[in-house]
Amino acid sequence: GNSVTQMEGPVTLSEEAFLTINCTYTATGYPSLFWYVQYPGEGLQLLLKATKADDKGSNKGFEATYRKETTSFHLEKGSVQVSDSAVYFCALSVPYSGAGSYQLTFGKGTKLSVIP
Amino acid sequence: GAVVSQHPSRVICKSGTSVKIECRSLDFQATTMFWYRQFPKKSLMLMATSNEGSKATYEQGVEKDKFLINHASLTLSTLTVTSAHPEDSSFYICSAIKGIGNTIYFGEGSWLTVV
Repeated sequence: GNSVTQMEGPVTLSEEAFLTINCTYTATGYPSLFWYVQYPGEGLQLLLKATKADDKGSNKGFEATYRKETTSFHLEKGSVQVSDSAVYFCALSVPYSGAGSYQLTFGKGTKLSVIP
Repeated sequence: GAVVSQHPSRVICKSGTSVKIECRSLDFQATTMFWYRQFPKKSLMLMATSNEGSKATYEQGVEKDKFLINHASLTLSTLTVTSAHPEDSSFYICSAIKGIGNTIYFGEGSWLTVV
């Protein structure tokens, strides 16, 4: 089956610190990989994605590279801000036909708190 | 702004009662919506795929008679937890597929506490 393992939180960093949240996966087939973010009181939002090996997804200063050889998709940001405080979810989907392509398998989520 | 809205965001109900959670797509029609739940320190788990005008497809281990899903219109899916028990206390979140680009949007989530 499919599964996603991500770094347990919570993670507390000072502003401008470097962030890494580890994510590894197992999947049947060739998955697409995602990072979602949930800010307090809001729904999950897509942060970035990658659909094939060696692709790098990036958005808002965050990056993650699809590493097929290590089955990983670690999230990084060079300099975090207080506004990045949120819960981050790593996820995958396997491209079946129809609506099944949109079924996501999530990690447990990592809560990030950035302090001034 | 939000394109998928869930209501209520938090609900407390007594054991044995039923509670309904709504998921609405605000500016698009969604023939397919998904319901997930998350127990503390666990992953978000897909419960069911909700299809407009037809029966929902439930994941293995999810009781369809306990978690009733109704997708009666193209903008609304409801999840009703029937005869709720404390172990049903969880975070429930829905998502919907927006047609162009097939982007998935999530609701804000609903915290259910059964006492």
